[in-house]
Amino acid sequence: AQTVTQSQPEMSVQEAETVTLSCTYDTSESDYYLFWYKQPPSRQMILVIRQEAYKQQNATENRFSVNFQKAAKSFSLKISDSQLGDAAMYFCAYRSPISSGSARQLTFGSGTQLTVLP
Amino acid sequence: DTAVSQTPKYLVTQMGNDKSIKCEQNLGHDTMYWYKQDSKKFLKIMFSYNNKELIINETVPNRFSPKSPDKAHLNLHINSLELGDSAVYFCASSRTLGDQETQYFGPGTRLLVL
Repeated sequence: AQTVTQSQPEMSVQEAETVTLSCTYDTSESDYYLFWYKQPPSRQMILVIRQEAYKQQNATENRFSVNFQKAAKSFSLKISDSQLGDAAMYFCAYRSPISSGSARQLTFGSGTQLTVLP
Repeated sequence: DTAVSQTPKYLVTQMGNDKSIKCEQNLGHDTMYWYKQDSKKFLKIMFSYNNKELIINETVPNRFSPKSPDKAHLNLHINSLELGDSAVYFCASSRTLGDQETQYFGPGTRLLVL
């Protein structure tokens, strides 16, 4: 079974600065999907960014980018020019490919609570 | 415009009662899920339906029964509610082999059992 580990329960960043959230995972599969979701106080789960394991290029979405290290099974999220609205719980998640034939639910990490300081 | 909706958003009830949470998606997706988020914010899959067929049934008490009347709806019925059932329940949906396999979530239903 796959596992996802987020070793930073809490992080803080100064507004306009850059912060990196860590995520590692364990899998024996060679192809899979990785996601970062954001959960603000409103509780809504919002997709931040996604990465397909077969793609070597790191995904980027505006101020959000990932550092995907497949061999190290690492998938960190970098937030540049942090804004007050970025304050939220961030979850890293793993999903098996359809070719795996396995159940393909999201497996989540335990989350990192990000505080943005004005 | 709402992609994945859940009703109700808040549910406060007494132990021993039976309650249902409804979920609907208008994204044309073929797979729907129920996740539970506990008090420590840990998210875990409960059930998944693909084209109205149950494909994931994690180890949850049989007091929880999902029902999918059609591909756009997945409801969760809970019998004999217990204190430990207090949590936030999220519905999600996705399209197999589409949209890079992304799951889209509803707003969550906060259940409080007294």
